[in-house]
Amino acid sequence: GDSVTQMEGPVTLSEEAFLTINCTYTATGYPSLFWYVQYPGEGLQLLLKATKADDKGSNKGFEATYRKETTSFHLEKGSVQVSDSAVYFCALSESGRSQGNLIFGKGTKLSVKP
Amino acid sequence: KAGVTQTPRYLIKTRGQQVTLSCSPISGHRSVSWYQQTPGQGLQFLFEYFSETQRNKGNFPGRFSGRQFSNSRSEMNVSTLELGDSALYLCASSLQTGQSTYEQYFGPGTRLTVT
Repeated sequence: GDSVTQMEGPVTLSEEAFLTINCTYTATGYPSLFWYVQYPGEGLQLLLKATKADDKGSNKGFEATYRKETTSFHLEKGSVQVSDSAVYFCALSESGRSQGNLIFGKGTKLSVKP
Repeated sequence: KAGVTQTPRYLIKTRGQQVTLSCSPISGHRSVSWYQQTPGQGLQFLFEYFSETQRNKGNFPGRFSGRQFSNSRSEMNVSTLELGDSALYLCASSLQTGQSTYEQYFGPGTRLTVT
């Protein structure tokens, strides 16, 4: 079946450092890809999405490009802030099915130090 | 617009009991999905309801069930609770009017502890 693999943390960075969280997927067809963020004690928030190859999703300084040739959707941010400390989840929605079934990676915990 | 609400936020139950969790989606959203989040297994899809019909189901035993009402509110029930059912249960809603990719909006979750 379809699956998502993302780098496991924790990842610890200093403020203003460059962030990359790797995500690769296995899927038949053409899935939609997402990054969600979970702050302590809260539910998940959609950070960005991409629905087809070469699409770039972006939000709040975060970016990710849907790379079909490498089946990847890596999350990047040029300069992280302390407020970016959270757990980040990569997810996919299988093509041809309803969007209500998301398959998630295990999550990557990011800690940003001042 | 109010977000997705889930009640209760915290729950403690004993093995063998049953529990019902409630989710109110964002107004106008017709699709509700449920997920279980545990440290070991991560986020796993339980089921999705759309217009009162179960449209998708994850790989969970029959002890896990759900339903959706005409106002799109949804409940999930877990019978004969086991220690392994301790988890954060997340509900998400989305518009879902077609095959387009609609965002899922998550609630804060219900933290269930089984003792």
